[in-house]
Amino acid sequence: DTAVSQTPKYLVTQMGNDKSIKCEQNLGHDTMYWYKQDSKKFLKIMFSYNNKELIINETVPNRFSPKSPDKAHLNLHINSLELGDSAVYFCASSIRTGVRTGELFFGEGSRLTVL
Amino acid sequence: KQEVTQIPAALSVPEGENLVLNCSFTDSAIYNLQWFRQDPGKGLTSLLLIQSSQREQTSGRLNASLDKSSGRSTLYIAASQPGDSATYLCAKAGNMLTFGGGTRLMVKP
Repeated sequence: DTAVSQTPKYLVTQMGNDKSIKCEQNLGHDTMYWYKQDSKKFLKIMFSYNNKELIINETVPNRFSPKSPDKAHLNLHINSLELGDSAVYFCASSIRTGVRTGELFFGEGSRLTVL
Repeated sequence: KQEVTQIPAALSVPEGENLVLNCSFTDSAIYNLQWFRQDPGKGLTSLLLIQSSQREQTSGRLNASLDKSSGRSTLYIAASQPGDSATYLCAKAGNMLTFGGGTRLMVKP
């Protein structure tokens, strides 16, 4: 009964392809996030959704399109993949959002490799 | 410019040592600070969360402190064990959650 689960865990694809990563949380949290961890291990926020509504979009190229069908799911779709998109993408959730961000719970990550 | 900085970037200690990991942040607007552990190829596990009104939190052998005035947090690990080997990240919650670069800890048997 994983709290935050992501699929797939590994993804290898060619440049120019379109791919999706799915995330689900069973914690009853209102807020979900996508983070990108680059090769230097820095974690950067990409998107934040609160109850299906986008609240943070951190200058991410519009090739990245998050979709939240309900507050328990936040999927990430990436169009026209580029080499620089290779990274580990983490989904996370928290009870609260905004300036009083509560404790974050992370998924295990999805390692994307673009060839 | 890195808003949240962790020093050292890597640390190797013999088993049993007490150690301190440092986290500093430049923006004094902080609502809470969270320490995470990341094992290789794994996600992040929350260790401790310190609210801005608190000065420290303890969980087992871990103690985290927060000093907003100096922009610092420390994670103290007592009696380190090989199983503590991992990367430790701090994250500051201001208008958003900002992560430090992490400290890679190796505890040798």
